[in-house]
Amino acid sequence: DAGITQSPRYKITETGRQVTLMCHQTWSHSYMFWYRQDLGHGLRLIYYSAAADITDKGEVPDGYVVSRSKTENFPLTLESATRSQTSVYFCASSEMGRTGGFFGQGTRLTVV
Amino acid sequence: RKEVEQDPGPFNVPEGATVAFNCTYSNSASQSFFWYRQDCRKEPKLLMSVYSSGNEDGRFTAQLNRASQYISLLIRDSKLSDSATYLCVVNDQAGTALIFGKGTTLSVSS
Repeated sequence: DAGITQSPRYKITETGRQVTLMCHQTWSHSYMFWYRQDLGHGLRLIYYSAAADITDKGEVPDGYVVSRSKTENFPLTLESATRSQTSVYFCASSEMGRTGGFFGQGTRLTVV
Repeated sequence: RKEVEQDPGPFNVPEGATVAFNCTYSNSASQSFFWYRQDCRKEPKLLMSVYSSGNEDGRFTAQLNRASQYISLLIRDSKLSDSATYLCVVNDQAGTALIFGKGTTLSVSS
């Protein structure tokens, strides 16, 4: 089925561990985004990508790494997880950056 | 100044009521505007785009005032199923990503 999927849906990890959140879309959208959502802050942009091999920082990129070797995949890696990175992470895609995007179901990450 | 500001609410209204949400944005160069809906613990979903001429989709009407950098969403004849958080969204200065407001919570009761 066409759409955007994230995995895992839930993840508990320990402080200092590396963890990768996966995002896959089947629409061949050019743009993909990673947001985190926390109480009191709303959705904040972490990184985005305009095409394969093109990525750029958003509002809160520190502690995160992204890559986009294929159009359909946009993994987000926390290099050394910290408790402050406990959050709900949403991946989104859109045909163009300025058009409305479609979101994955989210990954609930807890860092203990 | 936050790029996109919304009244967080909550707005508590009875079924059948008309309710309006407002949003202001700071980047005068923004070209794209949207309203998203987010249900508790779910992903945001695109509700409607907002155009300068105003646009309507059933019970929902969106308006844009570029001079005042102001966006609104009007919901008529509220339903229980309209209970959700409504997110105001504009594109960023580069026009490449979407910036979200913190959302306005609506609770419709019977």
